[in-house]
Amino acid sequence: KQEVTQIPAALSVPEGENLVLNCSFTDSAIYNLQWFRQDPGKGLTSLLLIQSSQREQTSGRLNASLDKSSGRSTLYIAASQPGDSATYLCQAAGNKLTFGGGTRVLVKP
Amino acid sequence: DAGVIQSPRHEVTEMGQEVTLRCKPISGHDYLFWYRQTMMRGLELLIYFNNNVPIDDSGMPEDRFSAKMPNASFSTLKIQPSEPRDSAVYFCASSLRAGGIVLTQYFGPGTRLLVL
Repeated sequence: KQEVTQIPAALSVPEGENLVLNCSFTDSAIYNLQWFRQDPGKGLTSLLLIQSSQREQTSGRLNASLDKSSGRSTLYIAASQPGDSATYLCQAAGNKLTFGGGTRVLVKP
Repeated sequence: DAGVIQSPRHEVTEMGQEVTLRCKPISGHDYLFWYRQTMMRGLELLIYFNNNVPIDDSGMPEDRFSAKMPNASFSTLKIQPSEPRDSAVYFCASSLRAGGIVLTQYFGPGTRLLVL
């Protein structure tokens, strides 16, 4: 059974600092890994999707890496802004679609 | 496109009543997913469809839950009878498979269900 873990559960940083969010998964037989953002009381917004054949994806200040052999993905957010405050979730897509518990991020002005 | 549309946005009902949640996926998408989110269990996949056919319903908690997709533009999730532990936010999402690859999932705003 796939288990997806996100540590830490919460993170607080001053504005301008780079954010590093971690996602680990137990079953490396995935076909993609997706990072989402969720604002309070809202649905999920997809940030980046990495196919299993890829090592990383980039969009603006966001960069996500994938290392299937070690069962890890990392989301980097450069030069954080208060508007980046949200919960970030990763989802491993393989035999099942499994979400991590999320990391709640607060960027202080 | 208007994105994934869910209705109602909020539902309050009493234990034992039937609840029907509705979803309209993004036009042209061939995958539809139903998720449930709670504080205790996080986000869980309940069921997903491909081309209107249920592919994996192993996440449906029990027989009180059922889902249908009569056509490419509409799906329902029904709970009958509802129980207080069903209180959660229910999300619908859709995506497209192209070139053998399943693409990004787009989520609806969710339905907040409270069963008293």
